[in-house]
Amino acid sequence: DAGVIQSPRHEVTEMGQEVTLRCKPISGHDYLFWYRQTMMRGLELLIYFNNNVPIDDSGMPEDRFSAKMPNASFSTLKIQPSEPRDSAVYFCASSSLQGASGNEQFFGPGTRLTVL
Amino acid sequence: KNQVEQSPQSLIILEGKNCTLQCNYTVSPFSNLRWYKQDTGRGPVSLTIMTFSENTKSNGRYTATLDADTKQSSLHITASQLSDSASYICVVPGGSYIPTFGRGTSLIVHP
Repeated sequence: DAGVIQSPRHEVTEMGQEVTLRCKPISGHDYLFWYRQTMMRGLELLIYFNNNVPIDDSGMPEDRFSAKMPNASFSTLKIQPSEPRDSAVYFCASSSLQGASGNEQFFGPGTRLTVL
Repeated sequence: KNQVEQSPQSLIILEGKNCTLQCNYTVSPFSNLRWYKQDTGRGPVSLTIMTFSENTKSNGRYTATLDADTKQSSLHITASQLSDSASYICVVPGGSYIPTFGRGTSLIVHP
């Protein structure tokens, strides 16, 4: 397996524009997480899905943020409209409670977002 | 409130030296604790997992300890190498499966 795949790896946009981040989890994993990482706050959980259903979105900062998981192999995180304070690295991670790895989360390479 | 505190925030050591990173947690109920290593520009990767019944676990030059009574864990790195330069993050999942992350310790190993 190629691991968790995220795209794009880098995104530079202007304030007010819509941004869509994409994630393909590891095949067979039934949990998917979206995180935001900044120097000031570290890793913050934004939302997580179980079997494509959003379970907890209490970490989503504002209504400008939305996430979807239309099927087991794809998820998106959308920011509309984007603001400079949204600049961060966004990680997607997947995991499965089954198997030897237990609750280990496998992270993608991240998307570095810069909002000018 | 579930919390994970790590210390020190940053650490600089010379290549070949040993170091110890600390993690204190107040997560309940407790099931396990993981240490992740995050290289610059990459996502975190699991180094080791400690369950309630384990006191010590080694993974090469990395040794993790857990004291469930005092709710403390440590990660000891022996004979450090330049490739050990990274951020080390302590993670404890709570009862709702939502993980609580520490802020991490940034380790820099100088030649």
